[in-house]
Amino acid sequence: AIQMTQAPSSLSASVGDRVTITCRASQGIKNDLGWYQQKPGKAPKLLIYTASRLHSGVPSRFSGSGSGTDFTLTISSLQPEDFATYYCVQDNNYPFTFGPGTKVDIQ
Amino acid sequence: DVQLVESGGGLVQPGGSLRLSCAASGFTFSSYWMNWVRQASGKGLEWVASIKQDGSEKNYVDSVKGRFTISRDNAKNSLYLQMNSLRAEDTAVYYCMRRNYYGSGSYSFDSWGQGTLVTVSS
Repeated sequence: AIQMTQAPSSLSASVGDRVTITCRASQGIKNDLGWYQQKPGKAPKLLIYTASRLHSGVPSRFSGSGSGTDFTLTISSLQPEDFATYYCVQDNNYPFTFGPGTKVDIQ
Repeated sequence: DVQLVESGGGLVQPGGSLRLSCAASGFTFSSYWMNWVRQASGKGLEWVASIKQDGSEKNYVDSVKGRFTISRDNAKNSLYLQMNSLRAEDTAVYYCMRRNYYGSGSYSFDSWGQGTLVTVSS
């Protein structure tokens, strides 16, 4: 199975900060990667698919990049509603696999 | 609006069985791959199983192979997960997800249910 890692596992940031989260696959997955946001007690929500495509209705401060094994989620200016846990997931190969998550909290 | 509503979770003893259901509405259910994903309390997400539009192809994570069966009834717009030989480590919130296809090999898990809790304990 393809292993997904994320860095950092957690970070503290302030409103207005630029935040970058990285995701690495143990083997090449082309651009078959999505990013999801999850708040406590809620289902995850899609932010980015196919590495860089912004899901409908998601604010443009979210962006994704990368291909192959290395990917990045960037929040250009962190807003209060962005404090959450972020997961990457590869759907290039079965079994689909998620990264362990990155928790973004208030500094 | 797309809606996915899971049901069927509950408390079950180790070795027992449970059948989860996911009722879909607001889209043409028979046109989409569907998936189950789970999340143990305080832990990350784990993809569990997927099923093709017509049910002809199914995939599972190794830890549930031979114990769980994913199925669907397109006439009822419903997805199912039959879980047998349940273990304590199967305790989790189980989410139903739609896999959307945008063309040119581009996919996403764009719609999720609210989840149903399965607790395996004696």
